[in-house]
Amino acid sequence: EDKVVQSPLSLVVHEGDTVTLNCSYEVTNFRSLLWYKQEKKAPTFLFMLTSSGIEKKSGRLSSILDKKELSSILNITATQTGDSAIYLCAVRGAQKLVFGQGTRLTINP
Amino acid sequence: NAGVTQTPKFRILKIGQSMTLQCTQDMNHNYMYWYRQDPGMGLKLIYYSVGAGITDKGEVPNGYNVSRSTTEDFPLRLELAAPSQTSVYFCASSGQKYQETQYFGPGTRLLVL
Repeated sequence: EDKVVQSPLSLVVHEGDTVTLNCSYEVTNFRSLLWYKQEKKAPTFLFMLTSSGIEKKSGRLSSILDKKELSSILNITATQTGDSAIYLCAVRGAQKLVFGQGTRLTINP
Repeated sequence: NAGVTQTPKFRILKIGQSMTLQCTQDMNHNYMYWYRQDPGMGLKLIYYSVGAGITDKGEVPNGYNVSRSTTEDFPLRLELAAPSQTSVYFCASSGQKYQETQYFGPGTRLLVL
């Protein structure tokens, strides 16, 4: 059975800290790994990582895919209170996108 | 563009009642999905469709039914509502088979009492 596991499940840091969120997966016929940010509404897309694009960066956020270790990390530097959200990792197999349980990130001022 | 729209936004059901959650996309996407998200949890796939007339079960299909008579619409039916179906329901769509990004609707919050 396909599985995506995220850690930690919850993280509380101070504004300005750097955080690293983890995602590991066991998915048949891996196609890609996606990161989403979810506030009090629908998830919004952050990054997609594939075999041909294993590292992505956008502003203070960056992500790396390790296909050998079947995992990915999402880094956020100089965190701001607006980064508080649930971060979801999802992995696409043959047809379906399998989501992890999410990491709830809280940034305190 | 409207993208993916869902109705209703919020609904309270009594145990045993039935209802249909509506989902429509205007991006001519072939792939459509229904997820549920319980409090503090990730998304679980209920059903998905790869095109009009074709549907398949996801991780948690029990208690739900779907149909896909057109490319645009993918309604989710609850026949006999149970408290365990209290959740937030998201509909999503994506384009070609290997177009990975899914576009999500705003969600329907369902409370079964």
